[in-house]
Amino acid sequence: DAGVIQSPRHEVTEMGQEVTLRCKPISGHDYLFWYRQTMMRGLELLIYFNNNVPIDDSGMPEDRFSAKMPNASFSTLKIQPSEPRDSAVYFCASSPGRASPLHFGNGTRLTVT
Amino acid sequence: GQQVMQIPQYQHVQEGEDFTTYCNSSTTLSNIQWYKQRPGGHPVFLIQLVKSGEVKKQKRLTFQFGEAKKNSSLHITATQTTDVGTYFCAGGSGTYKYIFGTGTRLKVLA
Repeated sequence: DAGVIQSPRHEVTEMGQEVTLRCKPISGHDYLFWYRQTMMRGLELLIYFNNNVPIDDSGMPEDRFSAKMPNASFSTLKIQPSEPRDSAVYFCASSPGRASPLHFGNGTRLTVT
Repeated sequence: GQQVMQIPQYQHVQEGEDFTTYCNSSTTLSNIQWYKQRPGGHPVFLIQLVKSGEVKKQKRLTFQFGEAKKNSSLHITATQTTDVGTYFCAGGSGTYKYIFGTGTRLKVLA
């Protein structure tokens, strides 16, 4: 089991550029979560999917953020245009079902200059 | 919306001392999970509590879920340097949307 795979591990971009973060969940996991971690705000839930369908996106900061899950093995989180305050570590996590442990990927450290 | 607070924010202990972190939710929870994140790493699942008043143990770690299912605690007996990291609780709502607590960063001095 390769675990949750995120890419890239690090991303440095300039303000105004589009950023796309990618996630491959563990095979067979029906739930996928996107979290953002900063020192100031801790771990924030941005959005989560169940069977590829977005269930709750109330944590998405604003319209600049969008997430998709076109199939059970792939999800993206896109920021367009990016801003310096978006700098954070973005984690993807998957879970096999309700009330099951979350398995986190290694995260993507995003720096927007 | 739902908020989950943890105290203390930081804790420095001498190796061998005990450590406790407390988690409080603004709403009643369906379940609560605990995670540990090492510096530079990602959160790793430790345990889940579901029942009111539940107590679970993992070696030197003891986890409790409050009677009202709004609070929880993690107690580590005789800390070791390997216990260093940030401990998070994550509260599950009826939709099993997990809101993470603010975390307690533990430093163990040898």
